Amino acid sequence: AQTVTQSQPEMSVQEAETVTLSCTYDTSESDYYLFWYKQPPSRQMILVIRQEAYKQQNATENRFSVNFQKAAKSFSLKISDSQLGDAAMYFCAYRKGFSGNTPLVFGKGTRLSVIA
Amino acid sequence: NAGVTQTPKFQVLKTGQSMTLQCAQDMNHEYMSWYRQDPGMGLRLIHYSVGAGITDQGEVPNGYNVSRSTTEDFPLRLLSAAPSQTSVYFCASSYSLRTGKTYEQYFGPGTRLTVT
Repeated sequence: AQTVTQSQPEMSVQEAETVTLSCTYDTSESDYYLFWYKQPPSRQMILVIRQEAYKQQNATENRFSVNFQKAAKSFSLKISDSQLGDAAMYFCAYRKGFSGNTPLVFGKGTRLSVIA
Repeated sequence: NAGVTQTPKFQVLKTGQSMTLQCAQDMNHEYMSWYRQDPGMGLRLIHYSVGAGITDQGEVPNGYNVSRSTTEDFPLRLLSAAPSQTSVYFCASSYSLRTGKTYEQYFGPGTRLTVT
């Protein structure tokens, strides 16, 4: 079974600084997606960024970027120029295949605090 | 589109009572799933469905029933509520043949359930 591990239960960052959240995963599949979701206090799950396993180029979405190391099965999230609105729970997730018909497997999450 | 809707938003049950959490989506998504979120545990898959009439168990299915009689609806039934089922429940859907987007999973707003 696939597993996703987030080793940092809590992190904090000063406003305008950069922070990196860690994620490792275990799978024997070759085709899969990796995701980072943000969950603010409103409880809504918000997709931050995704990475297809076959793409070597790291995904980037504005201030959010990932470091995808396929051989090491590592998928870290870097948040640049941190803002107060970035404070939330962040979940790393894995999804087998590209059909869209498979479940997401989540890590346990990292709570990010942003200090003004 | 309303997206993924869940009702109720909050519910308090007594041990032994039964109830149904409702989930509906209007995006013609084939795939739907239910997760529960507990502190420090991330989101864990309860049941999922890849289409009308097809359901399968996830990581934590005990005490829950599902059915998928239509593409739009995927209710989750608690047969005899227990305090261990106190949690936040999320419904999610994905995979539209029409859009061809297979990676996006849309989440409902969640239901906070307390069992006393």
